[in-house]
Order: sequence, then C-alpha cells, then structure tokens
Amino acid sequence: GAVVSQHPSWVICKSGTSVKIECRSLDFQATTMFWYRQFPKQSLMLMATSNEGSKATYEQGVEKDKFLINHASLTLSTLTVTSAHPEDSSFYICSASLDLAGGPGDTQYFGPGTRLTVL
Amino acid sequence: QKEVEQDPGPLSVPEGAIVSLNCTYSNSAFQYFMWYRQYSRKGPELLMYTYSSGNKEDGRFTAQVDKSSKYISLFIRDSQPSDSATYLCAMSPQTSGSRLTFGEGTQLTVNP
Repeated sequence: GAVVSQHPSWVICKSGTSVKIECRSLDFQATTMFWYRQFPKQSLMLMATSNEGSKATYEQGVEKDKFLINHASLTLSTLTVTSAHPEDSSFYICSASLDLAGGPGDTQYFGPGTRLTVL
Repeated sequence: QKEVEQDPGPLSVPEGAIVSLNCTYSNSAFQYFMWYRQYSRKGPELLMYTYSSGNKEDGRFTAQVDKSSKYISLFIRDSQPSDSATYLCAMSPQTSGSRLTFGEGTQLTVNP
C-alpha cells in the first residue's frame, strides 16, 4: 500500500518550453501533496504544499508563476515548469500525505522522481 | 543554525557491521520522526516512523528517539551491500498534513 507514481520519470526539453509532471497516489487518497526539488548530493528542498481544491502554498523563493501546481483531485497533483531554462534542470519529487493508523499524525510517501534536463 | 543536523558522511562499512546513523534537532515542536532510504536517482522510501521516545524495531532496523536530548538514531544490524543508499531523517510537528523537515542525508556504502 501507499504507492505514489510520477510521470514522466525523465524528460529532456528545449529552453523556453513548458513541462508538466504528474504525481498520483495509486492506492490511497491524499488531501495534501508536496513537491520537492533535489540537486545532486543534496537533501530535498520543499517547493510547495498542495491541497486538493485550493491554491498551493509556495516556499519562500519559489516562483509560483514559474512552477504551476494544480491539485484537482485527491489522487492527482501536477507541477508545470513554465518557460524552462537550463537552471531548472533538477530531480523533482512529489510526495503524498497519508494518515497512518495508530499514529497521531501523518507521514509522506514519495514518488520515484522525475529527472528534468533543459537544453 | 539548521533545525535538523545530520552528518552527510560518506560512511563506509564492511558487510555485517552494525551501522549507526544519527540526527539532532533544535525545534522542540517536532513530535513525529521518520527515516527514509533513498537509492541513487530514486525517490525516498519510508523505512520507519515513530512518535515517542524509546526504541522501535523492524527487522534489522531499530529507530531510537531521545526527546530530552533532541536526538534520534537509526541502527542497521547485519548490514548488507543492498543497504548502500542515502539515509534521510525527517521530522514534523504533530499536525496533519504538516511539512517535513529533513536532515541533509547520510550516504552509506556497505562493502561486500
């Protein structure tokens, strides 16, 4: 249980184009999804928190007009990198929040990540 | 000062060794603690979670939390080459849907 998928797993695009990444919780409903960015040999950097049916909350320094997040259903959130540039090349990972039985809170299950390369 | 401190390593041990991975934190609001394992070019995989001081065991893995010292540990017994990965500690307040605060991650290599 608690499987999260991402699509695509990797993408190469030209500078100036937009790229959409999908994040799905396959066997549970997630009211909250998170989007992270990870550079080589570094930890995860939270970009935004996405709640179903409402606007995403972006972390300081993350451009909301560049990284568009849509959370239209309890099982799907999308991240669109608009007008991508080489500096946007990174590993993007989503997670979905699940309230674990027997625990006081919830925890996050991560997708496999999407490697974006902008030429 | 970072809210969560974790030695990035790298840590290299022989197969069969006991591995100790540690994190310290400064925010006393953290009540929920997790350990994730991340293989290269993959998303993090949840290994263990706990929300109380003491030990929690799952197979070869033991998670330990000491809230009074703001210190958490993950022990791996009889380490295997397949345990080679980056281990991330993460923690959050006792709030539904709350964000996680991650450590930097410790890169572990288990040599056959």
